[in-house]
Amino acid sequence: QKEVEQDPGPLSVPEGAIVSLNCTYSNSAFQYFMWYRQYSRKGPELLMYTYSSGNKEDGRFTAQVDKSSKYISLFIRDSQPSDSATYLCAMKGSGGSNYKLTFGKGTLLTVNP
Amino acid sequence: EAQVTQNPRYLITVTGKKLTVTCSQNMNHEYMSWYRQDPGLGLRQIYYSMNVEVTDKGDVPEGYKVSRKEKRNFPLILESPSPNQTSLYFCATQSRDGTGYTFGSGTRLTVV
Repeated sequence: QKEVEQDPGPLSVPEGAIVSLNCTYSNSAFQYFMWYRQYSRKGPELLMYTYSSGNKEDGRFTAQVDKSSKYISLFIRDSQPSDSATYLCAMKGSGGSNYKLTFGKGTLLTVNP
Repeated sequence: EAQVTQNPRYLITVTGKKLTVTCSQNMNHEYMSWYRQDPGLGLRQIYYSMNVEVTDKGDVPEGYKVSRKEKRNFPLILESPSPNQTSLYFCATQSRDGTGYTFGSGTRLTVV
């Protein structure tokens, strides 16, 4: 079993739809969870950062972490064509392993006008 | 503006010809790392550096070298590139508080 699993999609939705992106993981040592957005021909940029379980909201974006199920989600409300990108989940442990991120393979999202 | 600058953005080279991809950051971050990104394989770590003169292998280090002589620079060296090193390369930095990576814009390398 891979450490981080992410459905690669592609996912195509109409403008205004609610988008749900998900990752599962196997390493119970992961404590920090992130979502990155990567536009074509660009580097990934940090979108959301959460610690341990719970929800975090930032504008149209909500990140959820369920450590008991080893499952994280990113919700995008009122999706826009500008949200079209690849979304990568990432996670890391604490202490000595605090620096290295383990990434999912990414989900390609297209929001159609 | 906080930046991670990679050069070149695009490079086409021939097998066996040594090349260097540069990475420079202006955020005073201790941690720097190189990744390659390939379709179906995602981002894989090549090498990382915890600080000046401290480097270590990531998950796919074969065929690559790095050095960290100054805090701001972390070049990636391919001594004898091969076609299987054709990929999209990213440099990334992270602050001591560990709140996520900042990535460069990427270097698309083609080895023929």
